[in-house]
Amino acid sequence: NAGVTQTPKFQVLKTGQSMTLQCAQDMNHNSMYWYRQDPGMGLRLIYYSASEGTTDKGEVPNGYNVSRLNKREFSLRLESAAPSQTSVYFCASTQPIYNEQFFGPGTRLTVL
Amino acid sequence: QQPVQSPQAVILREGEDAVINCSSSKALYSVHWYRQKHGEAPVFLMILLKGGEQKGHEKISASFNEKKQQSSLYLTASQLSYSGTYFCGTVQDPGTYKYIFGTGTRLKVLA
Repeated sequence: NAGVTQTPKFQVLKTGQSMTLQCAQDMNHNSMYWYRQDPGMGLRLIYYSASEGTTDKGEVPNGYNVSRLNKREFSLRLESAAPSQTSVYFCASTQPIYNEQFFGPGTRLTVL
Repeated sequence: QQPVQSPQAVILREGEDAVINCSSSKALYSVHWYRQKHGEAPVFLMILLKGGEQKGHEKISASFNEKKQQSSLYLTASQLSYSGTYFCGTVQDPGTYKYIFGTGTRLKVLA
C-alpha cells in the first residue's frame, strides 16, 4: 500500500499562474483534508471532504478550490497564485474520524 | 480558533522529562498527538478519548482533562529521536469533520 501520495513534490509558480495539487489515498478512507504549513508554523486547514461528494471550508480557504474526484482522490487548485501562498501543502486522510490522520509527503510550493 | 500549546519550544538533555500542554477554547471530545521531524510529514503518536481511553505510543503518555479543555503529553527519559515539533489535533466542532491542529511545540533533545 502506498498510503497517501501527493504530486508534485516541488513546484515554482509565478504570480498569477494556476495549478492543481493532486492527492490520492489507497486506504479506503472516507475523509480527506488539505493543510498548509508556513515555515516554522503550524498546520492550518484549507478545505476538507468528509466523504465522497462533499467538501467544506477550513480555517484558510481563500484563494483555493477543491474537488473530491472520487473516494480516492482530492485535489487542491490555486486559480491565481500569490506569493502569500508559498508554503508546504499536506494532504491527509482518516477513517473514521476518531482515528489518526495519515499524511502524504507534502508539496513544497514557491510563488515568485 | 487553534488550540494553544505551551511551551512554544523546549530544549532537553537526553534522559530528561518534558510536558507539553494543549489548551482549547472549545470543548474537546478527543485529542490526537503528532510529532513532525524537520522536512517530513506529521506522524501520529497517540489518541485520547473522553472517558480516558488512550491508544498509542509505548514510551510517551498523555492525559486529557475534559473539564479544563486541556491535554498534556508526557515525554519521559527523552531520547535524541524525540526531537521534532509536537502538535495536538482535534475535531473543532462535534458532528463535523473539521479537524484542526494546535500551535505546535518545538522540542530539541541534546546528547
